[in-house]
Amino acid sequence: KAGVTQTPRYLIKTRGQQVTLSCSPISGHRSVSWYQQTPGQGLQFLFEYFSETQRNKGNFPGRFSGRQFSNSRSEMNVSTLELGDSALYLCASSLAVSEEQFFGPGTRLTVL
Amino acid sequence: QKEVEQNSGPLSVPEGAIASLNCTYSDRVSQSFFWYRQYSGKSPELIMSIYSNGDKEDGRFTAQLNKASQYVSLLIRDSQPSDSATYLCAVKERAGSYQLTFGKGTKLSVIP
Repeated sequence: KAGVTQTPRYLIKTRGQQVTLSCSPISGHRSVSWYQQTPGQGLQFLFEYFSETQRNKGNFPGRFSGRQFSNSRSEMNVSTLELGDSALYLCASSLAVSEEQFFGPGTRLTVL
Repeated sequence: QKEVEQNSGPLSVPEGAIASLNCTYSDRVSQSFFWYRQYSGKSPELIMSIYSNGDKEDGRFTAQLNKASQYVSLLIRDSQPSDSATYLCAVKERAGSYQLTFGKGTKLSVIP
């Protein structure tokens, strides 16, 4: 069974630009969560989607947004990029009846 | 603020020894607990999940949970150099959400 896939794997942007990251969950998984990982803050929760509905959002500014499509694929968007947004963005998917989350390889975003 | 605390390490153990990784959490209502392994430059990989007090064994790994003490640990028996990685403790706080709160991780080094 294929794992969680994320595209692109690497991204370089400049301040003020916006970026869209994509995540395809494991087949059959309907829950997708997004996390930001930085050396200083570790892994921090961004948001969680289930059946196209955002169920939970972490403590991030409104520049961070996301959505989930009917096929469970999810995208997150960051507008007006700041240097501090440089991080590894991780997507994790879960089967509805299980609490275990499985991570994709991540998207490494560098903001210059 | 809900917190998950881990010793950052590095924790160095000789090959073949038992590595003991510890984690404490602040929210008494936390329900589910997970250990992830993260190799440098890679995404977190789920090793173990534990939901009730006591021990749970899977191969060389044993997770231990004590909800009264708000403590969860991971033992790795017969440690191998390939176990050298950062181990992340994650806590799910409430039912109906997939949001995980992560500790900063403990870096384990297994010396041949």
